[in-house]
Amino acid sequence: GAGVSQSPSNKVTEKGKDVELRCDPISGHTALYWYRQRLGQGLEFLIYFQGNSAPDKSGLPSDRFSAERTGESVSTLTIQRTQQEDSAVYLCASSPTAQTYNEQFFGPGTRLTVL
Amino acid sequence: AQSVAQPEDQVNVAEGNPLTVKCTYSVSGNPYLFWYVQYPNRGLQFLLKYITGDNLVKGSYGFEAEFNKSQTSCHLKKPSALVSDSALYFCAVRDLASGGSYIPTFGRGTSLIVHP
Repeated sequence: GAGVSQSPSNKVTEKGKDVELRCDPISGHTALYWYRQRLGQGLEFLIYFQGNSAPDKSGLPSDRFSAERTGESVSTLTIQRTQQEDSAVYLCASSPTAQTYNEQFFGPGTRLTVL
Repeated sequence: AQSVAQPEDQVNVAEGNPLTVKCTYSVSGNPYLFWYVQYPNRGLQFLLKYITGDNLVKGSYGFEAEFNKSQTSCHLKKPSALVSDSALYFCAVRDLASGGSYIPTFGRGTSLIVHP
C-alpha cells in the first residue's frame, strides 16, 4: 500500500515569506508526527496529533510555527515569516495508533531552503 | 524523563566484517527501543524494535539488536556488512513510566560507512 507522502519535496523561499508543507499519512493511521532535521543533526520533535485529541505542540520552536490536521488525514505545517535558521528537512511520520509499542512510518521529507 | 545517546558519530567497517552501532538510553520505567535507517535524501525506515522478552531482536535486512538492561544499551548489529548498508542509523526510545510517552526521543544518528 501507499506510504506516507509529503509535498513539496523541495521548497526554496525568501526570508520573511510564509510556507506551507503537506503530509498525507498512511490511511487509517491515527497518530501523526512532525520533525525537523537540520543538516548533520538528529530529529527534533515539533508536534504530535492523535485522532481528535488536542495536539501536543510542545516541540514547536516559536509562534511562527503552526500545524493543523483534518480528522485522521492530511496535515499541514505552516511556517510564517521564514528565517534562514528554518532551513532544514521537515519529516512527517504516522503510526497505526497511539500505542507506545508502534513504530513510526516516515515520509521522504520536504527540504526547505530559506534564502 | 527519557533520553538516548549514540556515542559514535561515524562507524567504519570493511565489507564482510561484523558491524555494531551503539545506543544507550535512560528512562524512568521500562523502555521500548527502536532502530531506523536513513538513506541519502530519504525518510527514515524502520528496522526493528525491542519491546519485551528476548534480548536479541531480529529485524530487516539481516540486522539484529542486542538489548542489555544492566548496561542500558541496545546496540545494532549485523554479522556481515554490505556496502549497501552504508547509511545513517537512528536509535529511539520511549519510556513506559507513567503510562508511556507517545513521543519517542531520537539519538543524533550514527553514520555507517562500509568500505569495499
